[in-house]
Amino acid sequence: GAGVSQTPSNKVTEKGKYVELRCDPISGHTALYWYRQSLGQGPEFLIYFQGTGAADDSGLPNDRFFAVRPEGSVSTLKIQRTERGDSAVYLCASSQTTNAFRHGASTDTQYFGPGTRLTVL
Amino acid sequence: DQQVKQNSPSLSVQEGRISILNCDYTNSMFDYFLWYKKYPAEGPTFLISISSIKDKNEDGRFTVFLNKSAKHLSLHIVPSQPGDSAVYFCAAKGPGAGSYQLTFGKGTKLSVIP
Repeated sequence: GAGVSQTPSNKVTEKGKYVELRCDPISGHTALYWYRQSLGQGPEFLIYFQGTGAADDSGLPNDRFFAVRPEGSVSTLKIQRTERGDSAVYLCASSQTTNAFRHGASTDTQYFGPGTRLTVL
Repeated sequence: DQQVKQNSPSLSVQEGRISILNCDYTNSMFDYFLWYKKYPAEGPTFLISISSIKDKNEDGRFTVFLNKSAKHLSLHIVPSQPGDSAVYFCAAKGPGAGSYQLTFGKGTKLSVIP
């Protein structure tokens, strides 16, 4: 079956521009997550959706970052007035559920897409 | 302050031998731990996980050990194969508000030498 897909795979933009990054989760997965991985670091949590609503956006670095998931499937991460420090790989993940059967089945295992490499010049 | 630490940036192992990747954590609220493998230009791939109520979980060549008192876990790969060469990330999550946020270490690059 299809995994998580992300487009574009690479995005080069100029400082100050607006970008949109898209994520298609695994069909049927209700939970969707965005992470950011900077060079030499592990992925860092940005935002989590349960269905259409952003249940936790505490990881978004500032108000230039915004994400939506209007129909509970595809999600778009939007970055306004990009800065050079925004350059990173943006990873999307999805899971069937969250916090379910924590000590048993892995229905809340997060499955990652290939990421979008964003370069801000 | 890093809550999940992988202190070895890299590890080289001969094919057929055991690979041991280590991970330490500081947050005692973490109760579920995962290992992900990442190839270049791909996203992290889930490998194996362990709940804090267990001290060992095995899946084929991969075994994860958890020592809660030491806040330490390790991933053993036996026997190591060249295809195992990748970056391995340790991740953790906790109950409540942290139950969906994965906190990752910086990763360990494993090279399995044929």
